[in-house]
Formats: sequence, C-alpha cells, structure tokens
Amino acid sequence: KNEVEQSPQNLTAQEGEFITINCSYSVGISALHWLQQHPGGGIVSLFMLSSGKKKHGRLIATINIQEKHSSLHITASHPRDSAVYICAVNTGNQFYFGTGTSLTVIP
Amino acid sequence: ETGVTQTPRHLVMGMTNKKSLKCEQHLGHNAMYWYKQSAKKPLELMFVYNFKEQTENNSVPSRFSPECPNSSHLFLHLHTLQPEDSALYLCASSRLLQGEQFFGPGTRLTVL
Repeated sequence: KNEVEQSPQNLTAQEGEFITINCSYSVGISALHWLQQHPGGGIVSLFMLSSGKKKHGRLIATINIQEKHSSLHITASHPRDSAVYICAVNTGNQFYFGTGTSLTVIP
Repeated sequence: ETGVTQTPRHLVMGMTNKKSLKCEQHLGHNAMYWYKQSAKKPLELMFVYNFKEQTENNSVPSRFSPECPNSSHLFLHLHTLQPEDSALYLCASSRLLQGEQFFGPGTRLTVL
C-alpha cells in the first residue's frame, strides 16, 4: 500500500467547473506538497503546506493534519489547467509521492 | 523557466554505454535531488545532496552514480544500464533540505 493515495486517478471537467483533487496519507509529516506536471514532463511546485489553507490565484490547497488529508481545488477551470497533479509528503527524512491525478479540462 | 536546467533533454543509450546527466540550478539553493519517474508509477527519490554532501541514497543500484561537485551542479553517471531503467529523470533543488522544490524539465532516457 502506498503511503500517499490520491483520488480520483483521472478527472475530466468542462471549462469553468470547480475541481477537487484529494490526497490521503498514512505517515506523520512535516509538510505536504502539491505539484503540477504538464505533458512533456516539467514539474512545478504549486503549494507547500503544513497546516490550514493556501491560495494562489484560482488554486486553493487545504490540509487537515488530524485526518491526514489534503485537497487541491481549482476554481473556474480552464483547458490550460490540464495536467497531472501530484501530492507528496515529507516526513522529515523521507519523501513519499502519490501516483498523480490526471486532469483534462474540455473547452 | 524554474531556474533549474537539465541536459540532455533526451538520451538513447545501449546497455554497454556510459553517459552522464547534468543538472544546474541558478537559484542559490543548497539542496539538490535526483528523481526517477517511470510510466504509471509514483516519482521515486533516488539521491539527495545537501551542501554537496549526499544525505540520502534510496537503495539505488550502483549502475547509477551521482556526483555533486558544488551546490549548483549535480550529475548522474550511468553505466551498464538495463532496459527497465528507461524513464524520465528529474532533477530538483531547494533552498533548504525538505523545503519547496524547483524541478528541471527532465531527461527522457531510453535504454536499448
């Protein structure tokens, strides 16, 4: 069993929809990361969280440490949001990664 | 552009070849990382360097040999690889160990 589980694995949405991607983890963490990977491979760090909530533009990330759960929300989704979204956790001396959620936003 | 560059972007090599992957960061970071990404699998952390010292080696086969001559450069030397080593190899850096990481574009490696 992977230490980090993401859902859904694949997601298709219409442009403008509100999107939620979930991440659950089973280890104690010092931080949780949300990463975005576009076709071609490049990865961009979206958020690093240890508590509460962060917002960048249309993206919002939340974390509940007690429930070991995080969500990534995209408001007013756009085709350029199409990518793989990866959740990763840092335990202090180890990194664990989810398998990613592949998002396709249709115009 | 994330400030992390990798060369080459694509590499095809035979099992008896020796090649090296290069990563360079222009961000003044102190920690650098090598990752392997195989199809349909999570990212795998291979090596971590902090202030040029290797702090982590996640049971990586000896046919992969990292080198970190300074905080800005990281190499991955490859020799006698296997076809199953074909993958995307990503380099990343962070200001502090375990901090927010900035990724390079990756090297797509194919071993024939």
